[in-house]
Amino acid sequence: DQQVKQNSPSLSVQEGRISILNCDYTNSMFDYFLWYKKYPAEGPTFLISISSIKDKNEDGRFTVFLNKSAKHLSLHIVPSQPGDSAVYFCAALGGSNYKLTFGKGTLLTVNP
Amino acid sequence: GAGVSQSPSNKVTEKGKDVELRCDPISGHTALYWYRQSLGQGLEFLIYFQGNSAPDKSGLPSDRFSAERTGGSVSTLTIQRTQQEDSAVYLCASSRYGGQNTEAFFGQGTRLTVV
Repeated sequence: DQQVKQNSPSLSVQEGRISILNCDYTNSMFDYFLWYKKYPAEGPTFLISISSIKDKNEDGRFTVFLNKSAKHLSLHIVPSQPGDSAVYFCAALGGSNYKLTFGKGTLLTVNP
Repeated sequence: GAGVSQSPSNKVTEKGKDVELRCDPISGHTALYWYRQSLGQGLEFLIYFQGNSAPDKSGLPSDRFSAERTGGSVSTLTIQRTQQEDSAVYLCASSRYGGQNTEAFFGQGTRLTVV
């Protein structure tokens, strides 16, 4: 029973364009959401987060949008760069407030 | 060190053998987590430590899996009588307090292959 779903296993985008990575969740107890980025043979690194009291959080080229009613969040990267090519994991916290629940990840490829 | 360190980075073991995976968290981080990533799967929670105690072991897949943490620092994940389905990347993470708004820092993982 997947509580955090990333339905697109991969996404390919041209350099300079916008990358939109989507994530859906089912557990209404989740109230804090994070995006992690993972390069091959490395551990995931934290990218950006959003609390459920907000609907948008921006950090440089990265913006996360949260639609609580739809239980949906998305990560926008603009402009996309080849170095952004990685697997992006959506993760959620709630209830216990310590156990991150991860999606399966989306492989983003940014083509030069 | 500056980051979370895991050893070994790669481990190949024969089915039925026991393995120990080690995690050195960031100094001062009280919370420590073990996750694993199997092929084609997301990151699966295994166990959480706050200090030396493990308030949540719910993710451990079977009684062949155990973990301990000593001195509020190093943690060891032990898998007994390994099976082929145990093959995965085992990731350790630590965070300063373990609650919300605290970023978890991950190690590079241990790739376990059971043959």
